[in-house]
Amino acid sequence: GENVEQHPSTLSVQEGDSAVIKCTYSDSASNYFPWYKQELGKGPQLIIDIRSNVGEKKDQRIAVTLNKTAKHFSLHITETQPEDSAVYFCAASIYGSARQLTFGSGTQLTVLP
Amino acid sequence: SQTIHQWPATLVQPVGSPLSLECTVEGTSNPNLYWYRQAAGRGLQLLFYSVGIGQISSEVPQNLSASRPQDRQFILSSKKLLLSDSGFYLCAWGGVAGAPSYEQYFGPGTRLTVT
Repeated sequence: GENVEQHPSTLSVQEGDSAVIKCTYSDSASNYFPWYKQELGKGPQLIIDIRSNVGEKKDQRIAVTLNKTAKHFSLHITETQPEDSAVYFCAASIYGSARQLTFGSGTQLTVLP
Repeated sequence: SQTIHQWPATLVQPVGSPLSLECTVEGTSNPNLYWYRQAAGRGLQLLFYSVGIGQISSEVPQNLSASRPQDRQFILSSKKLLLSDSGFYLCAWGGVAGAPSYEQYFGPGTRLTVT
């Protein structure tokens, strides 16, 4: 089955700096890669996703890049703000499968004021 | 728009007691439904998923079970809780049966503490 590894497990940045979180996946058939943000005591919220037919997607201060050859994808947050502090999860799945998303282990991002 | 509800929000139960957690989805029909568990400081582990009423697939063998008595209702149960069942339980929906979907959307979760 699919295996997703996520790094780093914790990340601290100064407000205004950029943050990068990286994930690798094992199943070359995976073609959908979402990122979730989870605030303390809440359910994960989908913040951005990318499908395998594109290499990069951007939404305001967040962007995701995908390298299918190397089987890795990354989340980039620019101009970080204290409200960006949360746990971020990457995931991978295969379109058409109702089975599941396979999640990474999460990254605790702390933005220092 | 679609909304997913979970209750209770928090629960403290003694070892050996039964469990029933409920999840309901509004604003869609025939949703694919999922139960995940998140241990403290850990990632999300898929427990069960369902593509229709009465159709349950189990991902991890354990003392938990799931049922789907109605189209938009998904229930997680246990006859006898273990200490290791403590965690944050999340329900999610994604797409509809027969129509593949990429995204999954999560409910607010239930914090279960087994004492």
